[in-house]
Amino acid sequence: AQSVTQLDSQVPVFEEAPVELRCNYSSSVSVYLFWYVQYPNQGLQLLLKYLSGSTLVKGINGFEAEFNKSQTSFHLRKPSVHISDTAEYFCAVSEVDSSYKLIFGSGTRLLVRP
Amino acid sequence: NAGVMQNPRHLVRRRGQEARLRCSPMKGHSHVYWYRQLPEEGLKFMVYLQKENIIDESGMPKERFSAEFPKEGPSILRIQQVVRGDSAAYFCASSPPLGQGHTGELFFGEGSRLTVL
Repeated sequence: AQSVTQLDSQVPVFEEAPVELRCNYSSSVSVYLFWYVQYPNQGLQLLLKYLSGSTLVKGINGFEAEFNKSQTSFHLRKPSVHISDTAEYFCAVSEVDSSYKLIFGSGTRLLVRP
Repeated sequence: NAGVMQNPRHLVRRRGQEARLRCSPMKGHSHVYWYRQLPEEGLKFMVYLQKENIIDESGMPKERFSAEFPKEGPSILRIQQVVRGDSAAYFCASSPPLGQGHTGELFFGEGSRLTVL
């Protein structure tokens, strides 16, 4: 069975500072990895995904993530955050060639302060 | 090109009533997934359906909850005899058939927020 761990429940950061949101996963098979963002009272929007190929993945809004198979990690980064990046961020995993059912982490609330 | 449509967006029920949540997948998508998000928590998988078939219901509570995706019409998540603990946001996601342009991504609706008084 797969699982996803997001150790940081909340990450406060000042505007224009860099940020890293951590995600570790556990699985006995190959996986696809995703980061979704959720703004208050809204649905989930895909930020980026790793399916195969280059381990550095670039997404929307200036975010990127790096897949590290040996450390089973998929940390999300942004070099300079904006107030508008304040939201909940979810890391998710699904098994390759399976049902594409996503298993989510518990989420990290990014709080960007002026 | 409408996305995943969920209704109602907000639903208030008293304890013991029934709640029905509807989800229309994106055009061309034949797979539907339901997730529940309790306050201040992540999304928990409930059930995965294709047209007229339940493929994986490993996340569904054993009692009071059911889901269907008929040949015609939206997918329905039904909660009978609601209790206060059912208060949550229920999200639906859809995807194309496996192997037919599927990129691994699920496309989410904006959710239905159920409040049980």
